[in-house]
Amino acid sequence: AQSVTQLDSQVPVFEEAPVELRCNYSSSVSVYLFWYVQYPNQGLQLLLKYLSGSTLVESINGFEAEFNKSQTSFHLRKPSVHISDTAEYFCAVKEGGKLIFGQGTELSVKP
Amino acid sequence: NAGVTQTPKFQVLKTGQSMTLQCAQDMNHNSMYWYRQDPGMGLRLIYYSASEGTTDKGEVPNGYNVSRLNKREFSLRLESAAPSQTSVYFCASRASIAGITDTQYFGPGTRLTVL
Repeated sequence: AQSVTQLDSQVPVFEEAPVELRCNYSSSVSVYLFWYVQYPNQGLQLLLKYLSGSTLVESINGFEAEFNKSQTSFHLRKPSVHISDTAEYFCAVKEGGKLIFGQGTELSVKP
Repeated sequence: NAGVTQTPKFQVLKTGQSMTLQCAQDMNHNSMYWYRQDPGMGLRLIYYSASEGTTDKGEVPNGYNVSRLNKREFSLRLESAAPSQTSVYFCASRASIAGITDTQYFGPGTRLTVL
């Protein structure tokens, strides 16, 4: 069975600083990876996904993630964060018709 | 197009009481899911329904039952609530078109407290 590990439970950063949220998955022959974001008191929204092709995927709000097969990682990065990026971020891997989620990383952006 | 809707938004139960959480989607999706979210544990799958008429257990099914009423609706029932079921419950749906990996869309959640 697949598993996902998010290495940091909380990441505090200052506004306009870069950030990296780490995600590692258990190896598999083929893998589909997702990052979801949950703003306070809301449901989860898809941020970006890797299905195939280019290993670097981007979201519309400046986040990007790179699929690294050799390191079984799918870290999420943003070069300059905003207060509005404060949220919980979940990495997930597809297993059959299901998603297996990591434990989540709380990103807190301070002014 | 409301997406995935859940009712109620909040609920407080006493131990032993029963209740049903309702979920509906208007995207004509085949697959539907119920998750629970607990601090530090991410989202854990309770039950899912790959298509109308089928349901399967997820990671944490004990204490829950589900009904896929039709293609739109997927309900989660707690027959005898326990404090360990205090959690935030999310419903999700997915198109699950054969050969295509599609996105899961989530509802706003139901915050349940069992006293």
